[in-house]
Amino acid sequence: AQTIHQWPVAEIKAVGSPLSLGCTIKGKSSPNLYWYWQATGGTLQQLFYSITVGQVESVVQLNLSASRPKDDQFILSTEKLLLSHSGFYLCAWRDRGAGNTLYFGEGSRLIVV
Amino acid sequence: QQKVQQSPESLSVPEGGMASLNCTSSDRNFQYFWWYRQHSGEGPKALMSIFSDGDKKEGRFTAHLNKASLHVSLHIRDSQPSDSALYFCAASADTNAYKVIFGKGTHLHVLP
Repeated sequence: AQTIHQWPVAEIKAVGSPLSLGCTIKGKSSPNLYWYWQATGGTLQQLFYSITVGQVESVVQLNLSASRPKDDQFILSTEKLLLSHSGFYLCAWRDRGAGNTLYFGEGSRLIVV
Repeated sequence: QQKVQQSPESLSVPEGGMASLNCTSSDRNFQYFWWYRQHSGEGPKALMSIFSDGDKKEGRFTAHLNKASLHVSLHIRDSQPSDSALYFCAASADTNAYKVIFGKGTHLHVLP
């Protein structure tokens, strides 16, 4: 069975500090991977997607960047955090064999102060 | 403008009752739909996908799609307190598209 793990679970960071959030998927080769951002109780905003290692497409500009250094790893980062970066960050993989459904990790909660 | 609109924003139903959630795409290109459910503090979990006109049933959940009006609904029968969650409708231009748009969600409260 496939598992998706996100880290860290939660962070409190200062404005202007750097950020790195990670996501690892096990049990699935060459997955399509996604990053979403969610304000508290709000909708899910797609940030990035990646089809293969080393390839990342940006969907919306939020002063964030993403990288896919390994087949099973997706990293979200920024060098300078803004207050508006606070929220819930969700990594997901897409199962093309199950109606192209997205399967999400448990998320990383970020509070920028 | 939000491409995927959901209604109502919030819904309360008694335990054992029927909950009905609605979703409409304002972009005719986005006509493939999914329903997701998110409990507080967790990642969303997929409930079902629906791509063809008509009904699709999975257990207590039934989705209905009308492609002509780009309207999809989700009906939950015999609602349980554990069904209390935020329900999202998501849409895509086709089943292989990489862009998946989510609505703002419906808060469902099932009252014991």
